[in-house]
Amino acid sequence: DTAVSQTPKYLVTQMGNDKSIKCEQNLGHDTMYWYKQDSKKFLKIMFSYNNKELIINETVPNRFSPKSPDKAHLNLHINSLELGDSAVYFCASSRTGTVETQYFGPGTRLLVL
Amino acid sequence: AQKITQTQPGMFVQEKEAVTLDCTYDTSDPSYGLFWYKQPSSGEMIFLIYQGSYDQQNATEGRYSLNFQKARKSANLVISASQLGDSAMYFCAMRELYGNNRLAFGKGNQVVVIP
Repeated sequence: DTAVSQTPKYLVTQMGNDKSIKCEQNLGHDTMYWYKQDSKKFLKIMFSYNNKELIINETVPNRFSPKSPDKAHLNLHINSLELGDSAVYFCASSRTGTVETQYFGPGTRLLVL
Repeated sequence: AQKITQTQPGMFVQEKEAVTLDCTYDTSDPSYGLFWYKQPSSGEMIFLIYQGSYDQQNATEGRYSLNFQKARKSANLVISASQLGDSAMYFCAMRELYGNNRLAFGKGNQVVVIP
């Protein structure tokens, strides 16, 4: 009964490859997010979707493309992976229109070689 | 402009002692929420405590309490009776009602509890 789940937990891949990270939440939330945590532990938002609609799109290379098939899922596809993409990627979810808590998935540790 | 500031260096805390982690924030939105998350070495982000901008009382959750001083724009986390399992990075974050729901994070405080 995990609230926010992500797969895979670890992802090791070569430069230039394309990879996807999947996220699912069973909290009934209508907003989902992707955050990136760099090597210095700084967390920064990348994208936010509300009811399958893109709300936030920070300055992220267009090699990163989020996809939300329904409001319980938000996947992240990354094309032409680069060394600098190595980081931990967190999915999160919350209710819209409030300042309530965002709940995070366990994170996906991406290492690009 | 940085919205959340956590400036303390890494901290060593004796087991069973209390520790206070500082957090100041910047917003012009009258309605916002303040959060603390814990990130142990295993990497997951664990929600600890929440304080709403209109809450009159300081939030408490077990051994965690939030010292909310609205006029000073500070939201310090107090962990009482530290345990070895409290060793982690602690992040302060803010969510503004009119800020597209994004959470703005501070850079984190590293806490190591020593026996």
